[in-house]
Amino acid sequence: QVQLVESGGGVVQPGTSLRLSCAASGFTFSSSGMHWVRQAPGKGLEWVAVISYDGYNKYYADSVKGRFTISRDNSKNTLYIQMNSLRAEDTAVYFCAKESGYCGGGRCYRWVDPWGQGTQVTVSS
Amino acid sequence: SSELTQDPAVSVALGQTVRITCQGDSLRIFFASWYQQKPGQAPVLVIYGKNNRPSGIPDRFSGSNSGDTSSLTITGAQAEDEADYYCNSRDSSGNLWVFGTGTSVTVL
Repeated sequence: QVQLVESGGGVVQPGTSLRLSCAASGFTFSSSGMHWVRQAPGKGLEWVAVISYDGYNKYYADSVKGRFTISRDNSKNTLYIQMNSLRAEDTAVYFCAKESGYCGGGRCYRWVDPWGQGTQVTVSS
Repeated sequence: SSELTQDPAVSVALGQTVRITCQGDSLRIFFASWYQQKPGQAPVLVIYGKNNRPSGIPDRFSGSNSGDTSSLTITGAQAEDEADYYCNSRDSSGNLWVFGTGTSVTVL
């Protein structure tokens, strides 16, 4: 079955960097767009970034643009996010998720599923 | 950037019907998907596409769309449906994604 496992979270000081990984299995990783989504303590879900199946197209939420970089290694079935200049407000559980979709009736539909279990990132001095 | 607005909280009596709405300009272009999240757990997809349920999601969950609003309906709510629910879609550019503000559902 499809499985996504995040790793790399931890406690870091403001201004420092951290790289998260998401190991994928059970599907053709190189054919799927992939997302990072985060959830701050007691808050809602916040979309962070997406990368196309081939790694060429990348888009970011305004809150992380210029500080975070999403990437992937299709030979290793692994998704990454490099987080630089971390701030206290980046404290959250970070989830990776697989994008799916289909087209029909003249429209195309996209969603993210499944999700990994998440990895905690805490930015604190 | 686009926003998707949901009511913060709703309650429903056991066995009754509840509708959760998600409003945003981008929903005139893109259909929303819906996610259920229970405390300490990752979100779970409950509705995708026009009105599709993943395997294992009970048929009491259904989705609909009209204009700038997407809705998730739980018909005959059960105690285990108590959770936070989020809509999700792309923004009007089609490149960025956005989640709704979330709705906490309480089953009385």
